[in-house]
Amino acid sequence: AQSVTQPDIHITVSEGASLELRCNYSYGATPYLFWYVQSPGQGLQLLLKYFSGDTLVQGIKGFEAEFKRSQSSFNLRKPSVHWSDAAEYFCAVVVTTSGTYKYIFGTGTRLKVLA
Amino acid sequence: EAGVTQFPSHSVIEKGQTVTLRCDPISGHDNLYWYRRVMGKEIKFLLHFVKESKQDESGMPNNRFLAERTGGTYSTLKVQPAELEDSGVYFCASSQVQNRVDEKLFFGSGTQLSVL
Repeated sequence: AQSVTQPDIHITVSEGASLELRCNYSYGATPYLFWYVQSPGQGLQLLLKYFSGDTLVQGIKGFEAEFKRSQSSFNLRKPSVHWSDAAEYFCAVVVTTSGTYKYIFGTGTRLKVLA
Repeated sequence: EAGVTQFPSHSVIEKGQTVTLRCDPISGHDNLYWYRRVMGKEIKFLLHFVKESKQDESGMPNNRFLAERTGGTYSTLKVQPAELEDSGVYFCASSQVQNRVDEKLFFGSGTQLSVL
């Protein structure tokens, strides 16, 4: 069955430090992968996505993610975290079912940023 | 441009009561999705409308849940009667492009439902 695993429920980093959020997926076909962020009181916002091509994708707010097929991973990174990055981050894979597309989300990683 | 709007933002009800959640998608978006996140769990797909038609309702938990989208504009999700396990955050999302893997979804901020 298709699934997305985010092994870290909570992560705390200091402002200015680097960040890596882990995501592993299970999907038999070519994965279409996404990272979303939810700030308090806001809806989910798309950070970046991977469909094909270059395995290192750039997103908004200085985030990037690297697709590694051999490891079934799509980890999110940022070289220097800002206090405004404190939020919850969701990794997702899009699957096709009966000709339609739907998202399979991970459980999310809540990021806390220390001043 | 207004985003996806959900109402109410929070709802606290007692077990056995009825609750109706509303979602107003971005104007012109034919696709409307409902997702739910139970606390500590992943966000799960509930159903997908294309205009007023249910394209996929495979994620609806049981027949206590009823979703409608009359006229193909806003949508409602009714839970009747509500049970404790229905508590969670209900997200609505909409998109313009139909049935493409690269369609961009715009999410609302969700309705936090608490069933006591």
